[in-house]
Parts: sequence; C-alpha cells; structure tokens
Amino acid sequence: AQKITQTQPGMFVQEKEAVTLDCTYDTSDQSYGLFWYKQPSSGEMIFLIYQGSYDEQNATEGRYSLNFQKARKSANLVISASQLGDSAMYFCAMSPYSSASKIIFGSGTRLSIRP
Amino acid sequence: GAVVSQHPSWVICKSGTSVKIECRSLDFQATTMFWYRQFPKQSLMLMATSNEGSKATYEQGVEKDKFLINHASLTLSTLTVTSAHPEDSSFYICSARRPGTGGVNEKLFFGSGTQLSVL
Repeated sequence: AQKITQTQPGMFVQEKEAVTLDCTYDTSDQSYGLFWYKQPSSGEMIFLIYQGSYDEQNATEGRYSLNFQKARKSANLVISASQLGDSAMYFCAMSPYSSASKIIFGSGTRLSIRP
Repeated sequence: GAVVSQHPSWVICKSGTSVKIECRSLDFQATTMFWYRQFPKQSLMLMATSNEGSKATYEQGVEKDKFLINHASLTLSTLTVTSAHPEDSSFYICSARRPGTGGVNEKLFFGSGTQLSVL
C-alpha cells in the first residue's frame, strides 16, 4: 500500500526566509511520481512541482525545489525567499506508476508567513 | 497552461434535493477525471475515477448510488449528489488528467472546488 506522511501540521516562517516542508512516502513500486500542491484559502489546488522516481536531479521550479532522497523515501519541498502570498496549505502527493491514474495525498501542512 | 473549470463554486440546498457539479477541461481532452472530497482542515480523499464513455470506478466506502458520475464527453464530467443530507456537506473538487507521454508524467489539473452546504 502507498502512504504519504507529512508530520508538520502547521508552520510559521518569517517573510523572506527559506522554509522546508517535510514529506515521506512509502511504496513498493519502483516507478512513481511525487508532487507538491498548494491550496490557498480559496480552495483551488495549485500544482507546484513534480519529481519522477528515476529523475537523478532534484526538481526546481522558480522559488520551489524538491529535495528528493530516494533511499530515505523523502521528498521535502523547499521554498526560498518566502512571501506573504505563500501562506496556504501544502500537500505532498504521490502517483504510483502501477496505477498512474490515482494520486494519493498527505495530510497537509499549513504554512503561515509572518510579515 | 491547462485549465479545469468547476461549477458551481458553492451551493446551498435543502435536505432531500439533488445537486449537480460540473467539471470541464477547457483546453485539452480529458479521458479521465477524478472527484475528491475534502472535509475542513483535512486532506483530499479520492471518491471516484471518471472515465469517458464508461462507468466510473468508485473507491471503497463511496456509495455509487449516492454520488452519480457521468463522463459523457472528453471535456465534461458531472457529479450528482442525490438526495443530499447534511452529512454530505463538504468541499468537492475535481481534477483532470492531461494526456502526455504517459505514466506518471501526466499531470493533474484541479478545478477550483465546490462548497456544498445541505440544510
């Protein structure tokens, strides 16, 4: 069975600081994809970044980077130079290759940026 | 980028009535769409997978007669909550898979969600 664990229910960070959101996963699949989504108070899910299990380099998208450590089964999201608009819920998710149509979400981390 | 439109964004209805929620992919054809339910301060729980031209696949514990899914075209899937009751009040969100190179590289795009309140 696949499982995503986010151990930080909430975090407070000072504006302009970097922040790391933790995510660990469990799967028996050899091929899988890891995602991070942002959900602001409006409710929409915003795709942030994707990492494939066979990708050798860590994914980066602007201020977002994914610290992928395959042996540890972790996929932490790093946000550099945080902004007030980064305050939101953040969900780590995984799509097992064996069932590429399904995506499994972690419980989420609520990030609050202090001015 | 790809856009998924979900309608309505919020709805209030009386207990016993049915509510239809639409999910449209605006600039791509989505053979597969997904419906999620999210309770306050909780994660998204997959309810069902909607496949164009065939029956939806429901997750364990989801009543298929309660949550009717129709995926009649490559750009539209609908979720109908039949005979809604207060316990059905929740945030419902759809997503569509954009066909790509296949496998896990196919990204999901989400609608903006529908807040359902049943009185």
